[in-house]
Amino acid sequence: DAGVIQSPRHEVTEMGQEVTLRCKPISGHNSLFWYRQTMMRGLELLIYFNNNVPIDDSGMPEDRFSAKMPNASFSTLKIQPSEPRDSAVYFCASRGRFVEQFFGPGTRLTVL
Amino acid sequence: TQLLEQSPQFLSIQEGENLTVYCNSSSVFSSLQWYRQEPGEGPVLLVTVVTGGEVKKLKRLTFQFGDARKDSSLHITAAQPGDTGLYLCAGDQTGANNLFFGTGTRLTVIP
Repeated sequence: DAGVIQSPRHEVTEMGQEVTLRCKPISGHNSLFWYRQTMMRGLELLIYFNNNVPIDDSGMPEDRFSAKMPNASFSTLKIQPSEPRDSAVYFCASRGRFVEQFFGPGTRLTVL
Repeated sequence: TQLLEQSPQFLSIQEGENLTVYCNSSSVFSSLQWYRQEPGEGPVLLVTVVTGGEVKKLKRLTFQFGDARKDSSLHITAAQPGDTGLYLCAGDQTGANNLFFGTGTRLTVIP
């Protein structure tokens, strides 16, 4: 299995632009998680899905952030409009029957 | 609210030294996991401990789950430069579908 796939790996954009991050979970996994990681705040859970349904989005910072999971093999995290304080590494992770989560390589987002 | 506090936050040691990283909480967890994250990559699972008092060994790494299932430790013997990275503990609570990640310990092993 290829593992969790994220794209793009790096994104540089200007303040006010829309940013879309993409994730393909491991086949057969039914839970998907979006995290944000910064030096100051560590690894923060933004939202997670079970069987494509959003379960807990309390970690989403504000309305500028939205996430979708239209099917079991694809999810997006969108920021519109983006701000410099959104600069971070965004990780997607998936989980199957067991507790362990498998992380993707992350997307490093820089908002100028 | 940070459920899991790790200490120390940063650790820099010489190759060959031993070290211990702690993960503490006031909450009880069904299981606890340790992940290691290298620069430019996502966290990778090292081990899961599920029973209070459990000790697991992975080569030079020894993991222990507290008797009350509220805390855990990671001990590395004879650290090597390849051990450098961010170590994260993560707890699973019954009824919760997500993991609660700790604050992280950033380890640097100097050759």
